[in-house]
Amino acid sequence: GENVEQHPSTLSVQEGDSAVIKCTYSDSASNYFPWYKQELGKRPQLIIDIRSNVGEKKDQRIAVTLNKTAKHFSLHITETQPEDSAVYFCAASRYGTSYGKLTFGQGTILTVHP
Amino acid sequence: EPEVTQTPSHQVTQMGQEVILRCVPISNHLYFYWYRQILGQKVEFLVSFYNNEISEKSEIFDDQFSVERPDGSNFTLKIRSTKLEDSAMYFCASSTGTSNEQFFGPGTRLTVL
Repeated sequence: GENVEQHPSTLSVQEGDSAVIKCTYSDSASNYFPWYKQELGKRPQLIIDIRSNVGEKKDQRIAVTLNKTAKHFSLHITETQPEDSAVYFCAASRYGTSYGKLTFGQGTILTVHP
Repeated sequence: EPEVTQTPSHQVTQMGQEVILRCVPISNHLYFYWYRQILGQKVEFLVSFYNNEISEKSEIFDDQFSVERPDGSNFTLKIRSTKLEDSAMYFCASSTGTSNEQFFGPGTRLTVL
């Protein structure tokens, strides 16, 4: 089955800096890669996603890049703010063939210091 | 904006007891999921449900677990005989199927004593 590895496990940055979180996946058939933000005690919230037919997607300060050949994808947050502090999870799934089961990475605790 | 809801928010039970966790998915969604998250760990897939039957389940989802959609709105997860290691946050999620975006509920924290 699919295995998703996520690094780093913790990331500490100063406000205004950029943050990058990286994930690798094992199943070359995976074609949908969402990123979720989870604040303490709250539900995971989708912040951005990318499909395998696209190499990069951007939404304001957040961007995701995908390298299908290398089977890795990354989350980039620019101009970080203290409210970006949370746990970020990457995930992978095979959209269209397996009812969309998400396989999650281990999570990255992002701390943005004011 | 419509949201997935779950009840209860926190359930405490004794080992060996049965629990039922309830979810109300978003009304026009067709695919339903249960995930669990042990404290401090990643979110793990348990089961997916479509067209009134299980479409996929993980190794975690053994004979002690079952899911049901008893009516047009609720989606339940039953654990027949809880074990200490079942203590976790259980998230329900739903999606339309035309988009793979899954919307998560707020979770039920299950504590087995």
